[in-house]
Amino acid sequence: AQSVTQLGSHVSVSEGALVLLRCNYSSSVPPYLFWYVQYPNQGLQLLLKYTTGATLVKGINGFEAEFKKSETSFHLTKPSAHMSDAAEYFCAVSFNNDMRFGAGTRLTVKP
Amino acid sequence: GAVVSQHPSRVICKSGTSVKIECRSLDFQATTMFWYRQFPKQSLMLMATSNEGSKATYEQGVEKDKFLINHASLTLSTLTVTSAHPEDSSFYICSARRASTDTQYFGPGTRLTVL
Repeated sequence: AQSVTQLGSHVSVSEGALVLLRCNYSSSVPPYLFWYVQYPNQGLQLLLKYTTGATLVKGINGFEAEFKKSETSFHLTKPSAHMSDAAEYFCAVSFNNDMRFGAGTRLTVKP
Repeated sequence: GAVVSQHPSRVICKSGTSVKIECRSLDFQATTMFWYRQFPKQSLMLMATSNEGSKATYEQGVEKDKFLINHASLTLSTLTVTSAHPEDSSFYICSARRASTDTQYFGPGTRLTVL
């Protein structure tokens, strides 16, 4: 069975600071990993995904994530936070049509 | 890019009535569509998976007679909440899986309020 754990339900950073959102997964087979962003009262927007190949994945809006098999992690980072990055972020793992989401991390960006 | 729409975006209904929510993939064919439910400040919970032309597969604890899912075409799936109760009030999100990829594209969600 697959599962996802997001460490920290709420992360607060200052504008311009590094953003680090943590995600650890468990999967009995090589997983596909995703990060989604959700703005209030909206659906989910795909930020980036890892399927195979290069372990450092670059996504939209300056975000990137690195798949570390040894650590079973897929942490999301952005070098410099922008006010518009404030949102809810979900990590997800998928195998064979079965996608499971983490509990989400709310990112707050302080001016 | 892949676009998924949902209609309506917001609906308020009386207890005991039925509500239908549509999910459409606008620019691709989706052999598989998913329905999720999201409670305030919580993650998405998968309700059911539907494949075009076949019966939906429901997750454990989801009442299939209450949440009727129809996936009649490669671009349309509907979720009907039958005999709605206030506890059914929630944010319902659909997603569509493009036939050739493993990426799900999400709709904007439908907020259901049952009075």
